Amino acid sequence: GAVVSQHPSRVICKSGTSVKIECRSLDFQATTMFWYRQFPKQSLMLMATSNEGSKATYEQGVEKDKFLINHASLTLSTLTVTSAHPEDSSFYICSATRGGGTVISTDTQYFGPGTRLTVL
Amino acid sequence: QKEVEQNSGPLSVPEGAIASLNCTYSDRGSQSFFWYRQYSGKSPELIMSIYSNGDKEDGRFTAQLNKASQYVSLLIRDSQPSDSATYLCAVLTGGFKTIFGAGTRLFVKA
Repeated sequence: GAVVSQHPSRVICKSGTSVKIECRSLDFQATTMFWYRQFPKQSLMLMATSNEGSKATYEQGVEKDKFLINHASLTLSTLTVTSAHPEDSSFYICSATRGGGTVISTDTQYFGPGTRLTVL
Repeated sequence: QKEVEQNSGPLSVPEGAIASLNCTYSDRGSQSFFWYRQYSGKSPELIMSIYSNGDKEDGRFTAQLNKASQYVSLLIRDSQPSDSATYLCAVLTGGFKTIFGAGTRLFVKA
């Protein structure tokens, strides 16, 4: 299998607070993890690509100082939304690709269940 | 031109019919192609991956790839109401970046 978990599944916070979301690969080592954001009835928007032990690569328009990503191990990546505001309310989804093996086996993205963030 | 294009739908089919979902991509160097299903309020789940020209079947699902024409499709046979969801096409480009289409909404009427 290729199971990816996220925690918390849902969070409500006050404007100005920071929120940390964890993404874990439970039964495989993930060399690369991705963070997406999805607004209602819209498609996935890639925010950043995270490789274990190195700095994340952010997509254009995504503030790296606001969305802090840490990929400290091969099974854990965290996204911290700093000083959250109502416009940051969204569905945040992480995905992971396996490490090692052939290109074909490593390029499939397995998604976590997502975290719904509501900022009041 | 978008890198991965899908008809947003909605595509409506009666129960038991074949649903046909299409996707085109722009990068000729793309090597890996994926179909994901996303239910409302949930994250995407992988249905199939395909890497070679031709058809690949898995149960009621068949993925078709034509690299010369740069399109990939997904057929769902014997469609069920539980198949109603948004289907995302994803392409791993020659630059090793996975690009997702905007998705096609499918409704299967009972």
